[in-house]
Amino acid sequence: DTEVTQTPKHLVMGMTNKKSLKCEQHMGHRAMYWYKQKAKKPPELMFVYSYEKLSINESVPSRFSPECPNSSLLNLHLHALQPEDSALYLCASSRDGTNSPLHFGNGTRLTVT
Amino acid sequence: AQSVTQLDSQVPVFEEAPVELRCNYSSSVSVYLFWYVQYPNQGLQLLLKYLSGSTLVKSINGFEAEFNKSQTSFHLRKPSVHISDTAEYFCAVSPNTGGFKTIFGAGTRLFVKA
Repeated sequence: DTEVTQTPKHLVMGMTNKKSLKCEQHMGHRAMYWYKQKAKKPPELMFVYSYEKLSINESVPSRFSPECPNSSLLNLHLHALQPEDSALYLCASSRDGTNSPLHFGNGTRLTVT
Repeated sequence: AQSVTQLDSQVPVFEEAPVELRCNYSSSVSVYLFWYVQYPNQGLQLLLKYLSGSTLVKSINGFEAEFNKSQTSFHLRKPSVHISDTAEYFCAVSPNTGGFKTIFGAGTRLFVKA
């Protein structure tokens, strides 16, 4: 069982749709992350929130919009995506910075048609 | 800046045989080192970590890794693998200077055959 919960597990959306991915953790972790993972590749960092404030944006296109409503929740809002955005989107959390390991959710498998 | 090289993209091995997955890193500062495992259709799970202290670290399911500072390596070993160990294994490093960026290697696919 994973301690980081992501919903939905699968999502199919058209290029004109708006959808959101959700992530929740109750471990009291202060850092939360969004990663994108393509098949047979390592995860690529997209965003980091620390103490509910955006700390890192890895030059992600504006069609991806993160939100951290509180210390336990992390959302990723999607709008006008392209087929090449199809991937596994992983949420992770850590107690604090890089000296604490990442706890990953099982991801949302996104397909853009 | 840091980088991680996993020398083997795929490692096929027979059940009950030993295995070693190789990981080398490059960094201008001291680093923390991690091995993560990803089973099909799942996220990554922490397998091992080296933060400080003893250079040999062990997991509860029989894996171990040794930090070798002179060779900048953190190879993962298991003396006898099971079919259930079939997965993708990622070596990762992060700087001990703080921040939030973890650098992942390209991954090694361990395939255990009966």
